[in-house]
Amino acid sequence: DQQVKQNSPSLSVQEGRISILNCDYTNSMFDYFLWYKKYPAEGPTFLISISSIKDKNEDGRFTVFLNKSAKHLSLHIVPSQPGDSAVYFCAAMGNQGGKLIFGQGTELSVKP
Amino acid sequence: EAQVTQNPRYLITVTGKKLTVTCSQNMNHEYMSWYRQDPGLGLRQIYYSMNVEVTDKGDVPEGYKVSRKEKRNFPLILESPSPNQTSLYFCASSPPGWRDNEQFFGPGTRLTVL
Repeated sequence: DQQVKQNSPSLSVQEGRISILNCDYTNSMFDYFLWYKKYPAEGPTFLISISSIKDKNEDGRFTVFLNKSAKHLSLHIVPSQPGDSAVYFCAAMGNQGGKLIFGQGTELSVKP
Repeated sequence: EAQVTQNPRYLITVTGKKLTVTCSQNMNHEYMSWYRQDPGLGLRQIYYSMNVEVTDKGDVPEGYKVSRKEKRNFPLILESPSPNQTSLYFCASSPPGWRDNEQFFGPGTRLTVL
């Protein structure tokens, strides 16, 4: 049973426009959420995170929004750049132990 | 250079032949973890370790073993590999207060079990 779901396997966006990547979770015990970016032939790299006590966190062009009642988070990239083309994974964890649950990933393609 | 290294990067083996994938980090991180990546399933955690001699199961531990005898190394052991363990494997580490810190991932090991 997939506790963290990214229902869009792929997303294509024009350069300069906004990219919105979505993630849903089912476990109400999750209280910390992260986004990772992955290029081919490389390991994932951390992008941005958010605690459940917040509903928004910004870092430059990247903003993560958390809607706890809907068990939904989204990553906004504004403006999108061709170098943002990668697979994006959302991940979630509870407040005990070291378990980290990832979604299936969304492949973002930013076209010039 | 701060990094997580994995060896080998590529491995083709046969069913039942024991193998070990090594993972080493030079950042003195306490937390280390192993993941496998499969198409349509994303990254799934196999095992993790909060510190030396402390290991716990992730989501998909069956068929795998780990050990954490020293802080820098966290090998992944497949005692009797099977074709369903063909996958891309990633090791990761994180400093203390790991929930608020990013995990640093290694470059990956692509394993094929025939």
